Amino acid sequence: AQKITQTQPGMFVQEKEAVTLDCTYDTSDQSYGLFWYKQPSSGEMIFLIYQGSYDEQNATEGRYSLNFQKARKSANLVISASQLGDSAMYFCAIEAPPTGGSEKLVFGKGTKLTVNP
Amino acid sequence: NAGVTQTPKFQVLKTGQSMTLQCAQDMNHEYMSWYRQDPGMGLRLIHYSVGAGITDQGEVPNGYNVSRSTTEDFPLRLLSAAPSQTSVYFCASSEAGEAFFGQGTRLTVV
Repeated sequence: AQKITQTQPGMFVQEKEAVTLDCTYDTSDQSYGLFWYKQPSSGEMIFLIYQGSYDEQNATEGRYSLNFQKARKSANLVISASQLGDSAMYFCAIEAPPTGGSEKLVFGKGTKLTVNP
Repeated sequence: NAGVTQTPKFQVLKTGQSMTLQCAQDMNHEYMSWYRQDPGMGLRLIHYSVGAGITDQGEVPNGYNVSRSTTEDFPLRLLSAAPSQTSVYFCASSEAGEAFFGQGTRLTVV
């Protein structure tokens, strides 16, 4: 079975600063995919970034980057130049093994990020 | 581009009532899933489908049924609602590397 652990229930960051949200995972599969989603107060789930276990480089999408440390089984999300609109819940998720469809994601409990002006 | 459409957005049921949560996607994805989200928890997988006519159970399937007669639609049925099924329900349509979520259905069972 797969498991995601997000140890930070809440995080605070000043606007324009960078912030790292922690995610550790547990799986016995050698092949897996890691996801980060954002859930603003309006409730929708917004895909941010994906990292495959065999990807040689860390994934980046605009201001989002994934600090992937395979040996430590961690997949931390780094948000650079935080904006007020980044205030939201952030969920890390895993699919192991990848099926080609991302239909069986296992989520962590999330981290609530608050960006202060 | 509608993406994933869930109806209704809000619903209140009495214990023992049945209802169907609707989910439709227009991206021609083979893979679809239902999750529930409870306070302080991440999303948990209820049922999923890898194509029309194929469904399987996720982590928390008890009390729910699904069917997948078309690629576009993946309804979730509550046969006899219980207060423990009070939750926010998300439908997702997916391909490798990304799952697209609907807006969610907030269900309250009294």
